[in-house]
Amino acid sequence: QQQVKQSPQSLIVQKGGISIINCAYENTAFDYFPWYQQFPGKGPALLIAIRPDVSEKKEGRFTISFNKSAKQFSLHIMDSQPGDSATYFCAASSQAGTASKLTFGTGTRLQVTL
Amino acid sequence: DTAVSQTPKYLVTQMGNDKSIKCEQNLGHDTMYWYKQDSKKFLKIMFSYNNKELIINETVPNRFSPKSPDKAHLNLHINSLELGDSAVYFCASSHAWTDTQYFGPGTRLTVL
Repeated sequence: QQQVKQSPQSLIVQKGGISIINCAYENTAFDYFPWYQQFPGKGPALLIAIRPDVSEKKEGRFTISFNKSAKQFSLHIMDSQPGDSATYFCAASSQAGTASKLTFGTGTRLQVTL
Repeated sequence: DTAVSQTPKYLVTQMGNDKSIKCEQNLGHDTMYWYKQDSKKFLKIMFSYNNKELIINETVPNRFSPKSPDKAHLNLHINSLELGDSAVYFCASSHAWTDTQYFGPGTRLTVL
């Protein structure tokens, strides 16, 4: 059972366009929602994250929109650049003792064309 | 000044062998994790340790045994390797009671 559903699976956007990736979750115990960026052959790197008491968070060209009642959140990449071409993972986290248990979405492969 | 490092980067071995992957972090974190990324790029948590104590143990075959000699190191030992163990294994770390996890570069394990 996939606790965090992510769409689309792949996305092609022209340079300068807006990339939008959507995620939905089921478990209301999740209290932290990060997005990770992964380039081929590299580990996931934290891009931006949000907590459920905030509806939007913006860092540079990256914005998370969060809808707690719908249990959905999305990543918007403004002015998409070829260097943004990577796989993006949404995730949701719940505390497990002193550790944070991340549940990942299935990933979106973004390609930004010239 | 690598934050989370893993060795080896690539590991190719035969079915039935035993192998280990090492992870070290120099971020001063006290919580470390192992994740498995399968061929479809799905990432799933396997284990978490806090200061040498096992915190998270997901549904993982007991052929996988994590070992934490100190809070900066978390190694993964795999016995009797199977074809289905082929994947990329990522180590990550964080401060205790915080959500932000930093991932290592991964170890690509191929079982022939």
